[in-house]
Amino acid sequence: AQKVTQAQTEISVVEKEDVTLDCVYETRDTTYYLFWYKQPPSGELVFLIRRNSFDEQNEISGRYSWNFQKSTSSFNFTITASQVVDSAVYFCALSGYSDSNYQLIWGAGTKLIIKP
Amino acid sequence: DGGITQSPKYLFRKEGQNVTLSCEQNLNHDAMYWYRQDPGQGLRLIYYSQIVNDFQKGDIAEGYSVSREKKESFPLTVTSAQKNPTAFYLCASSILERGTDTQYFGPGTRLTVL
Repeated sequence: AQKVTQAQTEISVVEKEDVTLDCVYETRDTTYYLFWYKQPPSGELVFLIRRNSFDEQNEISGRYSWNFQKSTSSFNFTITASQVVDSAVYFCALSGYSDSNYQLIWGAGTKLIIKP
Repeated sequence: DGGITQSPKYLFRKEGQNVTLSCEQNLNHDAMYWYRQDPGQGLRLIYYSQIVNDFQKGDIAEGYSVSREKKESFPLTVTSAQKNPTAFYLCASSILERGTDTQYFGPGTRLTVL
């Protein structure tokens, strides 16, 4: 069975601190895709990144970076120099190749609070 | 502008009433999805559709119904059989092609039962 675990329910940091959100997944598929979404207080989910299982290269986009490690089945998300606007709930999700109905398996989310 | 629209943004329902939530997309996506989110919780899949006139139940379909008469539209009806319908409802769509099936979301509808 596929599963996504976001063990951190809530994280609170002071602005400008770096913060890492953890995501651990389980799948028996050799081909799969991992996603991160951001849900600001307005409620709409915003797509941040998609990574396929064959690409373990880390990704950096501005202050955001993602560390994909197949050896530990983790796909962690780091925000550098956090800002108040980063306050949101962040979801990690998994899509397995053998899953023919294209559904996403969602983590429970991590609420990130950035204090000024 | 391409995107997904949901209406209304807020919806109030009396107990025993059916209500329909609208979801429209102009992204030419094949697949559409409905999720429910309760306060402080993650997303749970209600229904999804990969093609017009066909749809499948998700994890929590009981008390809900959908239709897919047009590619662009995937309305969700919350029936009186849904015992606890107060929640935030999110609609999403995606291209149906492995590797590019990122789901994109609408702004959501907050349903409150009075």
